[in-house]
Amino acid sequence: DAGVIQSPRHEVTEMGQEVTLRCKPISGHDYLFWYRQTMMRGLELLIYFNNNVPIDDSGMPEDRFSAKMPNASFSTLKIQPSEPRDSAVYFCASSFRGFNEQFFGPGTRLTVL
Amino acid sequence: AQKVTQAQTEISVVEKEDVTLDCVYETRDTTYYLFWYKQPPSGELVFLIRRNSFDEQNEISGRYSWNFQKSTSSFNFTITASQVVDSAVYFCALSEANAGGTSYGKLTFGQGTILTVHP
Repeated sequence: DAGVIQSPRHEVTEMGQEVTLRCKPISGHDYLFWYRQTMMRGLELLIYFNNNVPIDDSGMPEDRFSAKMPNASFSTLKIQPSEPRDSAVYFCASSFRGFNEQFFGPGTRLTVL
Repeated sequence: AQKVTQAQTEISVVEKEDVTLDCVYETRDTTYYLFWYKQPPSGELVFLIRRNSFDEQNEISGRYSWNFQKSTSSFNFTITASQVVDSAVYFCALSEANAGGTSYGKLTFGQGTILTVHP
């Protein structure tokens, strides 16, 4: 079975540009999570969905960040406009039931110049 | 608020040594879940173990073992006879219920322990 799929794997963009990160969770999983990893702040949960509905977005840093899950097999994380401090690795993860282990995608390494 | 502390930032051992990674957590909930994840140099996050707050039995899986003690709010991880392939960053994480008590998805990670195993 395919694991969590993220695209792109690497993204380099210039400050002010819109960035869209994509995620396909494992089929049958009802929870989807977006995390950000930086050296300074470690691994932070940004937002998570249950059955396509956002449950907790308290980790979203500011209004420039938005996430959607239009269906059970696809989610996007958008940053508009992007800033250099958004540079990080963004992970998507999914799980079956919220208390079970989360399976992580390979991550998207975002660099904002 | 929930918190996970991994006091050891970096550990360096020689192959075949045993090593214990410490994890201390804070929570006000009686029901919660604890996890360990491994992040090798390739960058992916690999699930190792999950424990719920009602199961204090220690667990052993091959060279890996975990010691969960509610009395000290600790969930420590031991690698026996370490190998070079064990070199990675190891994260401890805690999952609590959301405000409505309907979901346990919110994981709080510790800062991670960088383990380097030298040949």
